[in-house]
This record gives sequence, structure tokens and C-alpha cells, in this order.
Amino acid sequence: SQQGEEDPQALSIQEGENATMNCSYKTSINNLQWYRQNSGRGLVHLILIRSNEREKHSGRLRVTLDTSKKSSSLLITASRAADTASYFCAPGYTGNQFYFGTGTSLTVIP
Amino acid sequence: NAGVMQNPRHLVRRRGQEARLRCSPMKGHSHVYWYRQLPEEGLKFMVYLQKENIIDESGMPKERFSAEFPKEGPSILRIQQVVRGDSAAYFCASSPKGDAYNEQFFGPGTRLTVL
Repeated sequence: SQQGEEDPQALSIQEGENATMNCSYKTSINNLQWYRQNSGRGLVHLILIRSNEREKHSGRLRVTLDTSKKSSSLLITASRAADTASYFCAPGYTGNQFYFGTGTSLTVIP
Repeated sequence: NAGVMQNPRHLVRRRGQEARLRCSPMKGHSHVYWYRQLPEEGLKFMVYLQKENIIDESGMPKERFSAEFPKEGPSILRIQQVVRGDSAAYFCASSPKGDAYNEQFFGPGTRLTVL
């Protein structure tokens, strides 16, 4: 399968804590993207990391990529209630097709 | 610059009817992708189109489903003779290029309910 698999399926934390979610994939990729989906809405792109990059930051987001382990992680620091959403990873292959996993549902408790 | 637009936002059909879902990509984007999301599940890739061409339809059921992206006008996802199992949210996304380094911009989705 070419889709990413996120872990854990659900995560509940207190506001201010850090949230870490992981993504594993099976075949070689060109890049990997993370998206967020608020309940009932479309996906919003968060960050893209290329296969030759190991770490990338964007605001409170930090993404790592380990191609030897075929895994990526998304860290959200100092979480806020507004971060409550589902987070999806999408391994990117040639042709720009992305295969999303089932996501990690994050709940940040105020 | 308006984002990706989808209409209708909600669509109710009875079994056996046809559903037509429309997607207008962002201005300047010529690549469109359709995804289906069942309740409590992730997005499943259905089809990837470039203007007037289907590039990859490997995720689309062979029967009853078709997609097009004409030279003029929106992309259309058409489901014939809908069944209850077709009830889902259908999202389209667009990107300016078809290489593997472009983010996809998603529309708000069309929620199809089959009675």
C-alpha cells in the first residue's frame, strides 16, 4: 500500500503540552506532507518535507523524516485548543498523487 | 484569489439517481484530484486529472463513477445509479503543477447522502 499510516489514532492532551504524532510508509518517497482537517472541513496543508531533508520547522510545528525507517513525525509544541483537529500524513510519489492515511485525531483540552 | 470551490456542499440523492459533483480549481491550477472520505476514515485517492486528460484513475471504481476536467469549466465527478455505500464526503484538490513537490489545495467538500 502507498498510503501513510498515522499513529496514534487518537491523542488527547492538555493545552500547553506538546503533541507528537507519527507516520509510517512502505515504499520510497519523493517527499512527505502533513495536512490538518478540522471537523467537517477540507484539508489544509501544514508542511512539506523532501526526501533529502531530515527536519523542518514552521512556527510551532516540527517535522522529522527518517527515510531509513520510512517514518516521519509531527510535533506541535505548546498546543492550543484551536489545534484540535485530525492530522494526516501524505507520502508523495512521482506524479503528485498523495495517499492519505486514516489520520490522528488530536484533542487539546483547555 | 479564490480558493478551490466545490458545489453543491450537500447533496441528497435516492438510490438509483445520479450525482454530479463540481470542482473549480484555484486560478492558474490545471491539476485536479478527487478524494473520497468515509465517516471516521481518511481520504482515499480516486482520480487525478489535468485539463482534458485523466492522468490516474486507479482509485476510482470501474463502474458507475466517471470524472472529467474539460478545457472550459469545472471538473465533474459523476456517480451513476448511486447506492447507500456512496454516501461520503468528496473532496477535490488542485495544484499548479503535476510534479511531486507541490502542495494540494483542498476545497470544502461535497457531502453526499444517499437515501
